[in-house]
Amino acid sequence: AQSVTQLGSHVSVSEGALVLLRCNYSSSVPPYLFWYVQYPNQGLQLLLKYTTGATLVKGINGFEAEFKKSETSFHLTKPSAHMSDAAEYFCAVTPGTNAGKSTFGDGTTLTVKP
Amino acid sequence: DAMVIQNPRYQVTQFGKPVTLSCSQTLNHNVMYWYQQKSSQAPKLLFHYYDKDFNNEADTPDNFQSRRPNTSFCFLDIRSPGLGDAAMYLCATSRDRAGDTQYFGPGTRLTVL
Repeated sequence: AQSVTQLGSHVSVSEGALVLLRCNYSSSVPPYLFWYVQYPNQGLQLLLKYTTGATLVKGINGFEAEFKKSETSFHLTKPSAHMSDAAEYFCAVTPGTNAGKSTFGDGTTLTVKP
Repeated sequence: DAMVIQNPRYQVTQFGKPVTLSCSQTLNHNVMYWYQQKSSQAPKLLFHYYDKDFNNEADTPDNFQSRRPNTSFCFLDIRSPGLGDAAMYLCATSRDRAGDTQYFGPGTRLTVL
């Protein structure tokens, strides 16, 4: 069994400020972890993913996330927010087995204030 | 270049009138998924195909059916839409199931009158 909890359904930051979106997971097997972004009336787009290896993962648009096994976390960060970052962000976990399917968190809506 | 295409982008149907949503992919991926996403909620997996092998989620209503006639196409049939079925329907593909990235289409927004 697996689950994802995204802390904070809405996060608001000023342009240029640090973005921190929180994701905690549970998984009975080593997980694969993903962050997706969704703009209004569009599908989800992969930002980054962790499967194995280096725990700090860099993605598109300046985002990065760090897998912390001891904290069962995979928080998403960006040093400086841009207006175009305003969107909904989903964290997802997949068991690292061939039969695994993804479980998505409930999403965090990021607002960027000018 | 579009990789996962969904048609139509917007679909309006009447209560109880069958509707079919279409998804096609140019990635030649083995796996195709259908998700239902209601406003401000996580995508909810309805079912997926691994090649021709159909995998239904336990809580997917019988009202929802799917067909995959070939690698490139997958259809979602809603036999008798109810008001509660109004949602965004997302199609996604992945090369395999084990940790592969899912590539999503833009979605079809279904309105039920």
